Amino acid sequence: DAKTTQPPSMDCAEGRAANLPCNHSTISGNEYVYWYRQIHSQGPQYIIHGLKNNETNEMASLIITEDRKSSTLILPHATLRDTAVYYCIGIGTASKLTFGTGTRLQVTL
Amino acid sequence: GAVVSQHPSWVICKSGTSVKIECRSLDFQATTMFWYRQFPKQSLMLMATSNEGSKATYEQGVEKDKFLINHASLTLSTLTVTSAHPEDSSFYICSARSGTSGSAKNIQYFGAGTRLSVL
Repeated sequence: DAKTTQPPSMDCAEGRAANLPCNHSTISGNEYVYWYRQIHSQGPQYIIHGLKNNETNEMASLIITEDRKSSTLILPHATLRDTAVYYCIGIGTASKLTFGTGTRLQVTL
Repeated sequence: GAVVSQHPSWVICKSGTSVKIECRSLDFQATTMFWYRQFPKQSLMLMATSNEGSKATYEQGVEKDKFLINHASLTLSTLTVTSAHPEDSSFYICSARSGTSGSAKNIQYFGAGTRLSVL
């Protein structure tokens, strides 16, 4: 699995875009970048994943740099309910998810 | 997204008793299920991986005789904490993977977790 590095915490004002960075400089060509989040006392929630192209779904957008060494998860209009710990994980499709410490996002009024 | 149901959500038991936690994939077949444990203020730690009809593969340091895992069908896996002790008190979370090896849609979906308190 690729080693990922994320800032321990970030703040974002409600209604603004939240941009969460992740470094994965050792990611290999067949490893995807997955993003999950965990709201307090709940199981992790799948957000999005991608290989090399940018991806967008109803929850977020994932921007992956051309060299694939880093990516950014974008929540376009953060709400208080987006307050959570966000995990960036680089793995192959048949591998198991292992969680680091993630980024604790605090959305404020 | 796919739904994974975990039951019970909360359980209190006496020291020395056994506790069974169920994990079901409700709208997809899960050939592989995972069990995680999370202590307060810590990240999730993978305990074991189970494939339907096969013995579970445990991570290093996890006692297989203490944490019994059964994955008898494509939609159900159970974790039994045997002879529970207070140090087993934790948040246990199951996960089920959709798709098959090599699929780009190979996503792990998680249950809501079970909070176990051993008195």
